[in-house]
Amino acid sequence: GIQVEQSPPDLILQEGANSTLRCNFSDSVNNLQWFHQNPWGQLINLFYIPSGTKQNGRLSATTVATERYSLLYISSSQTTDSGVYFCAVAGIQFYFGTGTSLTVIP
Amino acid sequence: GAGVSQSPSNKVTEKGKDVELRCDPISGHTALYWYRQSLGQGLEFLIYFQGNSAPDKSGLPSDRFSAERTGGSVSTLTIQRTQQEDSAVYLCASSSFGQESGYTFGSGTRLTVV
Repeated sequence: GIQVEQSPPDLILQEGANSTLRCNFSDSVNNLQWFHQNPWGQLINLFYIPSGTKQNGRLSATTVATERYSLLYISSSQTTDSGVYFCAVAGIQFYFGTGTSLTVIP
Repeated sequence: GAGVSQSPSNKVTEKGKDVELRCDPISGHTALYWYRQSLGQGLEFLIYFQGNSAPDKSGLPSDRFSAERTGGSVSTLTIQRTQQEDSAVYLCASSSFGQESGYTFGSGTRLTVV
């Protein structure tokens, strides 16, 4: 299957700071998504981004498919951004990375 | 429905009993996936249904696990003779490829085997 590596595995931020999360994948994919799993376990779809750049409020994402990586940018972080961020890539099924655990402290 | 619905949200069962977990995908989504997530871990793929094709069962951990999808809509994941290591959150997702909607997850079923 496709290998998905996320970095960093853990991240602690002061509220208001910016951060960049990275996702590397081992093969060509036709789908890539970023998810946020909140402290209650709910997985929320942030971006469907097989290529290019998208922005939604304080979050943006860029995928460079030819170089097999994607970046998730979080600006002006808030405590509600805490949780685990997963990157998932698809051939036929989705392959998930092991996530980046983000803690934003006030 | 507006989202992916899973039931029950929580299930506590005795070791050795069978359990059934239900997933009601978004209407019109042709693809349905089951994953499980053990405490503090990532997501483990279990099974994938796409339309009327034979399901991809490559992720099922043992023959105690099975799933079906009736009428191309609702899916049931069955775990027979549950073991304590089956305790996890079981997540269902659906998607409709070709649209920029990607994957949508349900809220999961938290299974605890005691």
